[in-house]
Amino acid sequence: GQNIDQPTEMTATEGAIVQINCTYQTSGFNGLFWYQQHAGEAPTFLSYNVLDGLEEKGRFSSFLSRSKGYSYLLLKELQMKDSASYLCAAMDSNYQLIWGAGTKLIIKP
Amino acid sequence: GAVVSQHPSRVICKSGTSVKIECRSLDFQATTMFWYRQFPKKSLMLMATSNEGSKATYEQGVEKDKFLINHASLTLSTLTVTSAHPEDSSFYICSARMAGRDTEAFFGQGTRLTVV
Repeated sequence: GQNIDQPTEMTATEGAIVQINCTYQTSGFNGLFWYQQHAGEAPTFLSYNVLDGLEEKGRFSSFLSRSKGYSYLLLKELQMKDSASYLCAAMDSNYQLIWGAGTKLIIKP
Repeated sequence: GAVVSQHPSRVICKSGTSVKIECRSLDFQATTMFWYRQFPKKSLMLMATSNEGSKATYEQGVEKDKFLINHASLTLSTLTVTSAHPEDSSFYICSARMAGRDTEAFFGQGTRLTVV
């Protein structure tokens, strides 16, 4: 079956760095997405990886290893506004997104 | 660019009535639109995929007669929850994809539906 695993909740300190891991198993693979979702709001796009390696975009970076079925989202210089849920989603061979349950990130001062 | 507008953002309706939610792509043509439902602290659940001018494809377990989806144009899709019941209360989110399957899907703001 198709499955996405990510931690349910993580806590980090303002100004620090946090890494949110995601492992996936899909029928075929057409890329890995990370979305940020604040409570009561729709997800907003953060990153898309389809090739192995690290993609850096400001304070956020995303890494993909296709051979390991593994990705992570790295957030640097954490700010209080980064408190949100982070959703990992893998696109399968039918170009359908398979969603993880999300990781709730709590930032403490 | 790539803005998707979903309306209304919140709606409260009485049991037995119908509610229509609109999803519009404002600055691009959306060949495919997706409708999701999200329960508290749960992942997004895909309800259906709609392509302009054709019938929506519903996921297993989603009642197509209850959740009517219309994708009449390249910029508008609607979801109508018919004969709503309290268990239909949820957060409904649409997303739209441009031509080219591997591009990201852009999300609407979501609609919080409460059935009383």
